[in-house]
Amino acid sequence: DTEVTQTPKHLVMGMTNKKSLKCEQHMGHRAMYWYKQKAKKPPELMFVYSYEKLSINESVPSRFSPECPNSSLLNLHLHALQPEDSALYLCASSQGKANTEAFFGQGTRLTVV
Amino acid sequence: DAKTTQPTSMDCAEGRAANLPCNHSTISGNEYVYWYRQIHSQGPQYIIHGLKNNETNEMASLIITEDRKSSTLILPHATLRDTAVYYCIVRGTTSGTYKYIFGTGTRLKVLA
Repeated sequence: DTEVTQTPKHLVMGMTNKKSLKCEQHMGHRAMYWYKQKAKKPPELMFVYSYEKLSINESVPSRFSPECPNSSLLNLHLHALQPEDSALYLCASSQGKANTEAFFGQGTRLTVV
Repeated sequence: DAKTTQPTSMDCAEGRAANLPCNHSTISGNEYVYWYRQIHSQGPQYIIHGLKNNETNEMASLIITEDRKSSTLILPHATLRDTAVYYCIVRGTTSGTYKYIFGTGTRLKVLA
């Protein structure tokens, strides 16, 4: 099983709403990633968790708040987003070891209105 | 982070081999080269990775030059379903954590 599951698949939210994106993997991976992808652009790294601790924050605005409740689950809490935050949000996971690969979920398509 | 340079787009006839080049002249000795592809806004799909030896799996082959400054992904018999954006990534680290930084990628179109 090499599946990374993201929910919901689509989300529409207002600028004053609070919502959360969820990512789950059951591969025993200890590194989990959030990426943001705008149309026709490559994915941009946002956050990396390693062993349930935030390891990398690529200067992401505080309206995006990641959380890793356990080794299988990664959340991205959203608050006071702007329309320009509309994008495909991708989650990935990996063993976090040298000769291994990362697996990506299918993403959550977020629209901020 | 080592930067990668890829052609913006390529065409390939169906059934022929697709050879996708990537330059990564600033790669460090322990950094792996990864290839992913993304089909029409789905999540990126892992294809193959390597350090310095050539690698082959059921999807593709990866040829890395001896100086490791460039590599080529080979899809031996391209099909229409291989039409996608292909990303070459040199996986870097920050504080011991691996990170996958995507470049602009190559948009491969397989033609019937």
